[in-house]
Amino acid sequence: NAGVMQNPRHLVRRRGQEARLRCSPMKGHSHVYWYRQLPEEGLKFMVYLQKENIIDESGMPKERFSAEFPKEGPSILRIQQVVRGDSAAYFCASSRDRAVTNTEAFFGQGTRLTVV
Amino acid sequence: GEDVEQSLFLSVREGDSSVINCTYTDSSSTYLYWYKQEPGAGLQLLTYIFSNMDMKQDQRLTVLLNKKDKHLSLRIADTQTGDSAIYFCADSVDDKIIFGKGTRLHILP
Repeated sequence: NAGVMQNPRHLVRRRGQEARLRCSPMKGHSHVYWYRQLPEEGLKFMVYLQKENIIDESGMPKERFSAEFPKEGPSILRIQQVVRGDSAAYFCASSRDRAVTNTEAFFGQGTRLTVV
Repeated sequence: GEDVEQSLFLSVREGDSSVINCTYTDSSSTYLYWYKQEPGAGLQLLTYIFSNMDMKQDQRLTVLLNKKDKHLSLRIADTQTGDSAIYFCADSVDDKIIFGKGTRLHILP
């Protein structure tokens, strides 16, 4: 049973370009969470999705950021018109049930985005 | 809003015990977690404790929870060089896991 798969592991974008980060949850998991880790910081919650639904996007910046988790395929975190401040590690986690009732959310290895 | 606080650095001699402390603000937490992050890697769930417990032991790891003071600690017995990492305290709030900034554990020879 493969773990949470994120790709790419490293992504370099020029300012103004778009970044697409992909997350394939563990088999049987229908809950996906995206977190951002700035250098020397902890992980900040961005968005919680179930298949085809956004459940909680209270941590998402109001502009340029969007997320989806379609019926088929991975979850996508999309950042339009990237700026230097978007440089960070983006982690995805998945769980079988909601995190509050489930003891474990499994994390991917992260995508390290560098904006130049 | 919800907050999780922990000290940023801890240095411990190899073979000694490490104690990492954490405080949290939410009073409705269900689970509290400790995650480990090695350089360049993702997060590994080390252990967790249900909010109605006050202690949990798992091999070299001991978690203590003081719900009244909203204080959580992780004790690593017989600290080894492989324990060098960042340790994140985390709280489950609503549908989210809220993380502290992490404690960087440095092992002295």
